[in-house]
Amino acid sequence: DVKVTQSSRYLVKRTGEKVFLECVQDMDHENMFWYRQDPGLGLRLIYFSYDVKMKEKGDIPEGYSVSREKKERFSLILESASTNQTSMYLCASKSPNTEAFFGQGTRLTVV
Amino acid sequence: QQQVKQSPQSLIVQKGGISIINCAYENTAFDYFPWYQQFPGKGPALLIAIRPDVSEKKEGRFTISFNKSAKQFSLHIMDSQPGDSATYFCAAGDNAGNMLTFGGGTRLMVKP
Repeated sequence: DVKVTQSSRYLVKRTGEKVFLECVQDMDHENMFWYRQDPGLGLRLIYFSYDVKMKEKGDIPEGYSVSREKKERFSLILESASTNQTSMYLCASKSPNTEAFFGQGTRLTVV
Repeated sequence: QQQVKQSPQSLIVQKGGISIINCAYENTAFDYFPWYQQFPGKGPALLIAIRPDVSEKKEGRFTISFNKSAKQFSLHIMDSQPGDSATYFCAAGDNAGNMLTFGGGTRLMVKP
């Protein structure tokens, strides 16, 4: 059974903290993605990666960075968390011309 | 700029009725159109997908209709059931097969 695993289901962080969201996939997919999900706005792409150590900005990269040191792992970093980054974060992986597989999401609250 | 526009944002249907969700896209380079279903507390999962060489695809109670000239596609859920209550996302994929652009989502509630 294919799996995309996000390290935390729920996180509460304080404003200004550095936050790491981790994602691991076991399908040997080349492409990995970080989205944030907000009501009425759908899934908005933050960053994606086509290969190890490669990253590309998505539609809303401001305030975020990513790291992909190994093919199976893609991390999202909030350098200094702010309240407007309170959201549901979804990681996904796919190979070209296949469906995208999503993790269960991390609900982040910044207080 | 939203490249894939989805409507309605929410939908209430009686059990046994037909649920219809519509999407429109702008980029003619899109050539893969999946629909994802998301239950509360879960990540989205692929429901059904279509490529532009066909105008319709049916899988059980779920049908995608595709209109290439109008750049529109829709999901029809026949005989809707309470278990279909979920959020549905349409998406469009680029011709390299790497990226997906999502619509804003539709929250469907099927009343018993």
